[in-house]
Amino acid sequence: KAGVTQTPRYLIKTRGQQVTLSCSPISGHRSVSWYQQTPGQGLQFLFEYFSETQRNKGNFPGRFSGRQFSNSRSEMNVSTLELGDSALYLCASSLRGTLTDTQYFGPGTRLTVL
Amino acid sequence: AQKVTQAQTEISVVEKEDVTLDCVYETRDTTYYLFWYKQPPSGELVFLIRRNSFDEQNEISGRYSWNFQKSTSSFNFTITASQVVDSAVYFCALPGSGNTGKLIFGQGTTLQVKP
Repeated sequence: KAGVTQTPRYLIKTRGQQVTLSCSPISGHRSVSWYQQTPGQGLQFLFEYFSETQRNKGNFPGRFSGRQFSNSRSEMNVSTLELGDSALYLCASSLRGTLTDTQYFGPGTRLTVL
Repeated sequence: AQKVTQAQTEISVVEKEDVTLDCVYETRDTTYYLFWYKQPPSGELVFLIRRNSFDEQNEISGRYSWNFQKSTSSFNFTITASQVVDSAVYFCALPGSGNTGKLIFGQGTTLQVKP
């Protein structure tokens, strides 16, 4: 079974631009979660989608948004980029996103904001 | 609130040494799961193990073993006879309350295994 895939792997943007990251979950997984990883803040939860609905959101500004499609693929968007948005963005998928489910992670998208 | 603490920021050992990575957690849930992930330099988080709060038996998988103690809220991870390939950042994680697809991670422990 193919793992979680994320595109692109690397991105360089300038302040004020916007960016869209894509995540394809493991086949059959309906929950997709997004995380931001930075040296200072560690791994922080952004949001989770299940059956095209956002069920949970972390403590991030409204510039961070996402969506999920009917095939469970997910995208996240960051508008008006700031230097502090430079990070590794990780996507994870699980069967249903429940407490018992294991989340499997993709390779991440490394975003650099100049 | 849920919280995971990995007090060891960095550990350096010489190959073939045993090493234990500590994880202490806080939760108000009576039923919960705990996870360990490995993050090699490539960046991808690799799932290692999942344990539930009902099962306090130690788990062994090859050179890896895990010691879960509910009484001390700890879920420690031991690598026996460490190898250079074990060099990575290791994270302990706990799901957020509710079926929300959220994992709460510790700050991670960077393990460096020197040849």
